[in-house]
Amino acid sequence: DIQMTQSPSSLSASVGDRVTITCRASQGIGNDLSWYQQKPGKAPKRLIYDISSLQNGVPSRFSGSGSGTEFTLTISSLQPEDFATYYCLQHNSYPLTFGGGTKVEIK
Amino acid sequence: EVQLVESGGGLVQPGGSLRLSCAASGFTFRNYWMYWVRQAPGKGLLWVSQINSDGSDTTYADSVKGRFTISRDNAKNTLYLQMNSLRVEDTALYYCVRGTVGFDPWGQGTLVTVSS
Repeated sequence: DIQMTQSPSSLSASVGDRVTITCRASQGIGNDLSWYQQKPGKAPKRLIYDISSLQNGVPSRFSGSGSGTEFTLTISSLQPEDFATYYCLQHNSYPLTFGGGTKVEIK
Repeated sequence: EVQLVESGGGLVQPGGSLRLSCAASGFTFRNYWMYWVRQAPGKGLLWVSQINSDGSDTTYADSVKGRFTISRDNAKNTLYLQMNSLRVEDTALYYCVRGTVGFDPWGQGTLVTVSS
C-alpha cells in the first residue's frame, strides 16, 4: 500500500499569508495526485488534479507542484474563505489513499 | 449540473445490513468509474470501493472486503453499496464520488451509524 504522509496536520495563519502543505508518498505515484478542500459540514471539493492542474472555478491563488514522491499545495495569499481542512489523494494504485489532512485555522 | 445524491443511511445494529444508493445526474453515468469514500466522525477520508464503467470490475479496501458489495445500474444512473455484517467502526458519512483524474464531484454524503 502507498502511504501518504501529509504535513503539517494543522497550522494557524493570517489572511494574506502564504501557506504551504506537503504530501509525501511512500513510493512514486507519477502524476496521480490531487488536492481537496473540505469545509465543516460539507463534502470535499477538488482543487488540483494531476499534481498541478487547477480545477475549473478554483481561484488562481491555489497551486500545486511536485514530482515523484513529494508534492505541495500552496495558497499564495490566504483568504477568509480558505480556512478549511485540506487533503491529498493518490490514485496511482489500490488501495487509493488520502493524506491525513491539514486543518488551516485563523491566527 | 453534475449531481450525486446519496440515500439509504441510518442507524443499524452491529451485524446488520444497509444498502446505500447514489443517484447520478447531469453526466453520462455509464462512461465513468464510480467510488465510495467514507469519513468517520471527526476523522479523515478513507477510500472504500470502486467500480468500473460497465460494472465488470470492482475493488475494495481491506477493511470492508467480503462484507461490502459495490454495484451499479447504468440504465437507472444509480450506484449502490450493499453493506453486510456491519461493525461499530463502519460508522461514518459515506460519499459517492465520480472518478475523473481523482474524485470530482462528491455527493453530500449519507450517514451510517452502527450502534446497539
